[in-house]
Amino acid sequence: QKEVEQDPGPLSVPEGAIVSLNCTYSNSAFQYFMWYRQYSRKGPELLMYTYSSGNKEDGRFTAQVDKSSKYISLFIRDSQPSDSATYLCAMSGSGNTPLVFGKGTRLSVIA
Amino acid sequence: GAVVSQHPSRVICKSGTSVKIECRSLDFQATTMFWYRQFPKQSLMLMATSNEGSKATYEQGVEKDKFLINHASLTLSTLTVTSAHPEDSSFYICSARVAGGIQYFGAGTRLSVL
Repeated sequence: QKEVEQDPGPLSVPEGAIVSLNCTYSNSAFQYFMWYRQYSRKGPELLMYTYSSGNKEDGRFTAQVDKSSKYISLFIRDSQPSDSATYLCAMSGSGNTPLVFGKGTRLSVIA
Repeated sequence: GAVVSQHPSRVICKSGTSVKIECRSLDFQATTMFWYRQFPKQSLMLMATSNEGSKATYEQGVEKDKFLINHASLTLSTLTVTSAHPEDSSFYICSARVAGGIQYFGAGTRLSVL
């Protein structure tokens, strides 16, 4: 079993839809959780950061962490064509260990 | 968020030449930087961890003599691909770590070896 599992998609939704992206993980030591957005041929851009369990909201984006289920989610409300990108979940056990990434989910928002 | 500058963004070189890629943290100091490689439609593959003032730590299967990493200051790490060959063609991305395990990424360098 991989440490981090993420459905690669592709996921295609109409403009304005609510998008749900998810990752599961197996390492119970993970406590730092991040979501990155990567456009084609660009470096990943940090979208959301959560420490331990809970929810965090930033504009149209909401990140949720459920450590009991080892499950994290990213919700995008009112999706826009500009949200079309690959979304990577990432996590680590401490501030000093490298991030472990999911494979990324390719999202297309159709106008 | 913090800014990481990576240069150059695109390199085309002949087989056998060496290529240097620079990664700079512009508005913060980074004791630890990372170098990744990414193939099309795949996730990031960690190549090495670069620590300021000490030798880099390479992941299993990454040739340290092939991919030379230097982290001479708190704001600069370099990756040199020595004697590049077509199979080294890839997208290379650096990142710098800040507090809380957050990593900020550069824009990436697309290397094409002819």
